[in-house]
Amino acid sequence: NAGVMQNPRHLVRRRGQEARLRCSPVKGHSHVYWYRQLPEEGLKFMVYLQKENIIDESGMPKERFSAEFPKEGPSILRIQQVVRGDSAAYFCASSEAAVGYTFGSGTRLTVV
Amino acid sequence: AQSVAQPEDQVNVAEGNPLTVKCTYSVSGNPYLFWYVQYPNRGLQFLLKYITGDNLVKGSYGFEAEFNKSQTSFHLKKPSALVSDSALYFCAVRDPYSGGGADGLTFGKGTHLIIQP
Repeated sequence: NAGVMQNPRHLVRRRGQEARLRCSPVKGHSHVYWYRQLPEEGLKFMVYLQKENIIDESGMPKERFSAEFPKEGPSILRIQQVVRGDSAAYFCASSEAAVGYTFGSGTRLTVV
Repeated sequence: AQSVAQPEDQVNVAEGNPLTVKCTYSVSGNPYLFWYVQYPNRGLQFLLKYITGDNLVKGSYGFEAEFNKSQTSFHLKKPSALVSDSALYFCAVRDPYSGGGADGLTFGKGTHLIIQP
């Protein structure tokens, strides 16, 4: 049973471009969480999704960031018009009962 | 609101000695508590969790943690450190009664554990 798969592992974007980060949860998990980790900091919660629904997006910046978890396919974190401050590691986690969380290896976004 | 504090940015321990990585938390109800380890340029690996029951929780790689409700602490421990234990350790908490869909974890800032040969 594969764990949480995130791709790409590394992503380089120029300022103003769009970044799309993908997360495939553990098979059978219906809860997906996105976290952002800035250098030398802990993980900050961004958004919590279940299939086709955003449950909690209290940690998501109000502009340029969006997330979805469609009925079929991976969860997508989308960052439009990226800026240098968006450079970070973005981690996805999945769970079935919001008790045990499995994290992916992350996507490291670098904005140049 | 829930919060986690890891008061030490770095902990240095000689190989073979016992280690402790400290964590205190604040939640409104009874917490779910977690420890994760992160190796350089890798994701988080689960070590152990406390949900309910015995206050001493045993986890992966010989680590354990003790839930202390009166001190609101959940310190990570290991009787004999290995050089390979050197990594970044995160404590996390979730308040199961937070409601409003706030099911995400709140993480501490992390503690660098350095085991010296």
